[in-house]
Amino acid sequence: KAGVTQTPRYLIKTRGQQVTLSCSPISGHRSVSWYQQTPGQGLQFLFEYFSETQRNKGNFPGRFSGRQFSNSRSEMNVSTLELGDSALYLCASSAGQKYNSPLHFGNGTRLTVT
Amino acid sequence: AQSVSQHNHHVILSEAASLELGCNYSYGGTVNLFWYVQYPGQHLQLLLKYFSGDPLVKGIKGFEAEFIKSKFSFNLRKPSVQWSDTAEYFCAVNVALGTGGFKTIFGAGTRLFVKA
Repeated sequence: KAGVTQTPRYLIKTRGQQVTLSCSPISGHRSVSWYQQTPGQGLQFLFEYFSETQRNKGNFPGRFSGRQFSNSRSEMNVSTLELGDSALYLCASSAGQKYNSPLHFGNGTRLTVT
Repeated sequence: AQSVSQHNHHVILSEAASLELGCNYSYGGTVNLFWYVQYPGQHLQLLLKYFSGDPLVKGIKGFEAEFIKSKFSFNLRKPSVQWSDTAEYFCAVNVALGTGGFKTIFGAGTRLFVKA
């Protein structure tokens, strides 16, 4: 089974621009979560989607948004980029609705904002 | 608010030494607990998990963890580490949310370096 695929692997953007990151979950997984990983803050929960619906959202500003498509693929968008948005963005999928489902992570997208 | 605390940010051990990484969580409800590992250049992957039953759970590569409910702890152990265990280790808890679904809260991570 193919793992979680994130594209692109690396991105360099300028302040004020917007960016879209993509995630393809493991086949059959309907839940997709997004995390921001930085050296200072660790892994911070952004949001979680299940069957095209955002079920949960973390404490990030409205500039961070996402969506999930009918094939469970998900995209994350960040508008009006700030320097502090530089981070590794991780996507994770899980098999079920239940909260005992472990996460399966992709390799992440490294975003650098200059 | 729910949180996960990992006691050590950096640990350096020699091969064959024993390992124990501390993890405490702050959440009053039912929890599902995990340890994830990130080897250099690789993605985060599940090391072991606890849902219910025997509080001592075994994971891959000889790792185990013990859930102590009264202490809100889920410490990771390995009797004898190897150089290949050099990685960053994350303790995590899944919290069920009223909206349905769940979120996973991670600790800050512990970087383990094993000297050959």
